[in-house]
Amino acid sequence: DAGITQSPRHKVTETGTPVTLRCHQTENHRYMYWYRQDPGHGLRLIHYSYGVKDTDKGEVSDGYSVSRSKTEDFLLTLESATSSQTSVYFCAISESQGGPGELFFGEGSRLTVL
Amino acid sequence: SQQGEEDPQALSIQEGENATMNCSYKTSINNLQWYRQNSGRGLVHLILIRSNEREKHSGRLRVTLDTSKKSSSLLITASRAADTASYFCATDAGGNKLVFGAGTILRVKS
Repeated sequence: DAGITQSPRHKVTETGTPVTLRCHQTENHRYMYWYRQDPGHGLRLIHYSYGVKDTDKGEVSDGYSVSRSKTEDFLLTLESATSSQTSVYFCAISESQGGPGELFFGEGSRLTVL
Repeated sequence: SQQGEEDPQALSIQEGENATMNCSYKTSINNLQWYRQNSGRGLVHLILIRSNEREKHSGRLRVTLDTSKKSSSLLITASRAADTASYFCATDAGGNKLVFGAGTILRVKS
């Protein structure tokens, strides 16, 4: 299994509080991704990174920010959590050049915003 | 919006039968990938097929790609109870981004 660790795995928080999810990899892969998974929507890309300090938005980036100060860590921050951000969040990594190759996924972080 | 759309949304079959899932997409692609997700787990990569390939096999999996129809199918032969999972197709969306469909839920009854 690819060395990807997500933390926390479960979190319950209240509306308006900040939340940070961490993705840590030991594979030294260049690309890192944050997806959210909701019933009926499959996985939707929030943000991704193509290198240290290099990030870009995905299709559902509003309300989320990311940072990547080291190759191995990709942080997803909800500045002020809302109930619509209740979801399961997945981190993924890839090393493919010249187009998306195989993604390796973490086990997910389940976030509940009350 | 999603690039790939799977069909059917749910499929229930008996052990030993074949399972076929379809994926349609909207724009040109470089490759198409299939993933499996067991309940409560992360996605696992199954197979990647490039736009210049028409068919690819991996064990009991067979994937076809028809770029003229913008569609792909995943066939699982001689299904087992352990194949019970959700299956997703994913297509490239520019750069190194992958866009996933909503998935097909497969239940294999023993």
